Amino acid sequence: DAGVIQSPRHEVTEMGQEVTLRCKPISGHNSLFWYRQTMMRGLELLIYFNNNVPIDDSGMPEDRFSAKMPNASFSTLKIQPSEPRDSAVYFCASARVAGVFFGEGSRLTVL
Amino acid sequence: TQLLEQSPQFLSIQEGENLTVYCNSSSVFSSLQWYRQEPGEGPVLLVTVVTGGEVKKLKRLTFQFGDARKDSSLHITAAQPGDTGLYLCAGVPFGNEKLTFGTGTRLTIIP
Repeated sequence: DAGVIQSPRHEVTEMGQEVTLRCKPISGHNSLFWYRQTMMRGLELLIYFNNNVPIDDSGMPEDRFSAKMPNASFSTLKIQPSEPRDSAVYFCASARVAGVFFGEGSRLTVL
Repeated sequence: TQLLEQSPQFLSIQEGENLTVYCNSSSVFSSLQWYRQEPGEGPVLLVTVVTGGEVKKLKRLTFQFGDARKDSSLHITAAQPGDTGLYLCAGVPFGNEKLTFGTGTRLTIIP
């Protein structure tokens, strides 16, 4: 079975540009999480969805960040405009009762 | 604010030695999970403990959930170089799925 699929794996962009990260969760999983990982702050939960509905977005840093889940098989995390402090690895994870499964992450560098 | 504190933050030991990693919180969790993360990859779930006082074993790894459901430990017996990685605990609160990660322990096993 395919795991959680994230794209792009790496993105380098300039400050002010829009960034869109994509995630395809594992089929049948009804919860989806977006995390950000940095050396300084570790793994931070940004937002999570249950049955495509955003449940808790209190971890979203500011209005520049937005996330959508238009259907059970796709989610996006958008940063507009991007800033250098947004540089991090962004992980998507999906879950069912058995546990949480992470994608390989999208490494974002904002110059 | 980090709800889950792990100690030690870094640990480097010789192959064959034993070690214990701790995960502590002032919050009570319905369950607690342990993950291992290797460079360039997402965290991989090792175990979930759900009952206060529960002990689970996974080969040379022993996981314990504290009686008060606020803390957990991971003990590795006869560490191997393949155990090298970032170990993360994560707590699930009662009533929701907001999985919050600890600060992490970076373990290095020296051959």
